[in-house]
Parts: sequence; C-alpha cells; structure tokens
Amino acid sequence: DSGVTQTPKHLITATGQRVTLRCSPRSGDLSVYWYQQSLDQGLQFLIHYYNGEERAKGNILERFSAQQFPDLHSELNLSSLELGDSALYFCASSVAGGRLNTEAFFGQGTRLTVV
Amino acid sequence: AQKVTQAQTEISVVEKEDVTLDCVYETRDTTYYLFWYKQPPSGELVFLIRRNSFDEQNEISGRYSWNFQKSTSSFNFTITASQVVDSAVYFCALSEALYNFNKFYFGSGTKLNVKP
Repeated sequence: DSGVTQTPKHLITATGQRVTLRCSPRSGDLSVYWYQQSLDQGLQFLIHYYNGEERAKGNILERFSAQQFPDLHSELNLSSLELGDSALYFCASSVAGGRLNTEAFFGQGTRLTVV
Repeated sequence: AQKVTQAQTEISVVEKEDVTLDCVYETRDTTYYLFWYKQPPSGELVFLIRRNSFDEQNEISGRYSWNFQKSTSSFNFTITASQVVDSAVYFCALSEALYNFNKFYFGSGTKLNVKP
C-alpha cells in the first residue's frame, strides 16, 4: 500500500458529462501529481500541485482542471468528456517539489470509461 | 529534451530464466533521477528503485539488480531467476531536479510475461 488513496476506483460515464477524481496524498506529502495512462499515449504528466499551489502543467486539456485543498487532498475535474478521455488516471504524492527530488508514490488509479 | 526509451515492447521468458529490461534516456541536465516502476495486472504503479545521476553504483535487491551507465545513458533492470509473479509492465522514468517542480518522463513500458 503506497499510502496514496484515490477514489473512485472505477467510473463509467457518458460523453459530455463531468466527473471529479479525488486523491489523498500520503501523510506529510505536500506535492500531488496527476498522470493519465492511455493505450495510445502511455503515461503522461498532467499537472503538479505543491502545498496548494499549481507548480507545473503538462499535457492537460483545457477541459480538465485540478486543485489542491488546504488539507492537501486534490481533485481532478474532467468536463465535456469524450470517448478518448477513457484512461487510467493516477495520482502521486511526494514530500518535496523542488530540488530535493524524492520518490513519488502512486495511488491505485481511477479507471475512467467514457461511453 | 528529456526522453526515455524502452525499446522492448514485450518480452516472454520461462520461469527461472534471467531477463534484462533495457532503458535508455536523454537529458541535458547534469542532475537527474532515474526510476523503475512495476505495474502488475491489477493496475497500480509500484516503486522499485530510484538512482541519482551522481551515483553510478549498481544495485542489487534480492533477485532484482540495476545497471546504471552514464556513458551509454542507460539504466537497465535485470530479474534473476524470474517467477510468474514478476509478470507485469515495467516502466523506466526520468525526473529532472529543477527548482520548484519536478515531473516524470516515463518510457512506454516493457510488458514481461513469465510462463511457468
């Protein structure tokens, strides 16, 4: 168990809908990262939050947004869903977000299926 | 630009065989970190190892060993006496050590099938 909790584990929704994925980082971790794993694109970095502030953006669509709350949990909001958004979405957390690079521990992922 | 290449898409071995998973990386940073993660059929990503760019010592952990060679920009992973439970997708990743943020560049993964 990595200590990173993601809910829900599975999500099935229709095109055009909006969903929210939730991530609770390991206790004490300030950084949260979101990744998308799809069959054609592999593992892609979406966004990084550190102690409530956005620190880096990767290949995140404008239809997607994220935030990190004062209790350090994070939510990834996906809107106007398309079939191509079907993927496994991972959250990872680590202690530091700067020069001191540490292991990032990944949650079990949320499998999103858009039908 | 940063890039991680895992040229082996899928490897099949018979139990007890040794197997090496290749990883080649590109980066212009002098400080960086390399990782291996395992993704079993259940889907989660399991951390295996982290190495920094200043430490080229090879590492052994049980049946797992890693060979880091900066001269060839490679960070290969060997499983000795493979077991069926080793069947998974293995990802090599590169992380920059930049101020204020870090992010991972993952390779495309190597699927390892270990047959009894």
